[in-house]
Amino acid sequence: ELKVEQNPLFLSMQEGKNYTIYCNYSTTSDRLYWYRQDPGKSLESLFVLLSNGAVKQEGRLMASLDTKARLSTLHITAAVHDLSATYFCAVDRGWETSGSRLTFGEGTQLTVNP
Amino acid sequence: EAQVTQNPRYLITVTGKKLTVTCSQNMNHEYMSWYRQDPGLGLRQIYYSMNVEVTDKGDVPEGYKVSRKEKRNFPLILESPSPNQTSLYFCASSPPGEGSYEQYFGPGTRLTVT
Repeated sequence: ELKVEQNPLFLSMQEGKNYTIYCNYSTTSDRLYWYRQDPGKSLESLFVLLSNGAVKQEGRLMASLDTKARLSTLHITAAVHDLSATYFCAVDRGWETSGSRLTFGEGTQLTVNP
Repeated sequence: EAQVTQNPRYLITVTGKKLTVTCSQNMNHEYMSWYRQDPGLGLRQIYYSMNVEVTDKGDVPEGYKVSRKEKRNFPLILESPSPNQTSLYFCASSPPGEGSYEQYFGPGTRLTVT
């Protein structure tokens, strides 16, 4: 059974600081996604990581994937209040045979304080 | 506008009263899926469909049914809802074939079963 664990689950940080959210998963996969969710809203796709060593950046967020370590990171640079949200990683375990089957982490609730 | 729509967005019902949550996408996606979101558990897949008339169980299918008679629609049916099905439900779709299989999520349906 695939398990996906994020840490930390809650993160309170000050504007301007850097931090990293970690996503560990238990079985082999080379497809991993990061989503953002604002309170009461749906999920917004942030990054799609499709191979070992993949790195993607968008604004103050950078995501990477190490399939050998079964680890993805979401790095936040110089945080701003607008980044406050819950961030989910999701590992795709079924795409080869049955289309996308996502297993989600518990989510990291990020609060950026002025 | 390309989108996934769900109806209703909010629903309060009583135990045992059959209900259907509709999901429709206008992107001609073959793959569709249902998830439920509960605090501390992330999102968990209920059912998914690779194409018309092709459906399969996800991780938490008990108490749910689905059908896929048309490509654009994928309704979720609760024949006899129970309080433990109180949750936030998301429908998602993704395009077929090679590629990222990135899933596009609907706005969510908040269901309360009393």
